[in-house]
Amino acid sequence: KAGVTQTPRYLIKTRGQQVTLSCSPISGHRSVSWYQQTPGQGLQFLFEYFSETQRNKGNFPGRFSGRQFSNSRSEMNVSTLELGDSALYLCASSLTGTDYGYTFGSGTRLTVV
Amino acid sequence: TQLLEQSPQFLSIQEGENLTVYCNSSSVFSSLQWYRQEPGEGPVLLVTVVTGGEVKKLKRLTFQFGDARKDSSLHITAAQPGDTGLYLCAGVTDSWGKLQFGAGTQVVVTP
Repeated sequence: KAGVTQTPRYLIKTRGQQVTLSCSPISGHRSVSWYQQTPGQGLQFLFEYFSETQRNKGNFPGRFSGRQFSNSRSEMNVSTLELGDSALYLCASSLTGTDYGYTFGSGTRLTVV
Repeated sequence: TQLLEQSPQFLSIQEGENLTVYCNSSSVFSSLQWYRQEPGEGPVLLVTVVTGGEVKKLKRLTFQFGDARKDSSLHITAAQPGDTGLYLCAGVTDSWGKLQFGAGTQVVVTP
């Protein structure tokens, strides 16, 4: 079966702009989680969506937001980009968000200049 | 602050040698996962350990979950260059969709 698909793979944005990243989970998976990975902080949890509802949120500013559609595809948006937002953004899908089977996508590499 | 502490941070060994990576926490996790991540890719799940004292083997990789479910280790026997990567441990929390990751151990195996 197809894995988790994240688009785009690479993105370069200017400070102050906004960006939208997309994640298509494994078919049948209803939970999508988002993570930010940086060399200094490692993998940090952003938020989780299940059946179009945000159930959980990490400690990130309100500039980071997301949504999930009825087909379980999810998007995350970052507004007013800062240099420190440069990172690898990963999404992970699972059946319920409480099980053990998390599958990660290849990520979107965001560079803010 | 990382709830999960991994050691060492970096490990460079020759092909054929053995290595062990440790993952320690002051918190109890219901289960713990190990992932391997290669440059430019997302983490790939290797194993999930659930029961205290549990030992799981995946070919040359042996995973152990501490009796108190606060620590875990990954042992690789006769490492090969294909084992090169960033090894991450992650605690499964009670929060929906949230994994608590360690900082990772970068393993380099040279021929």
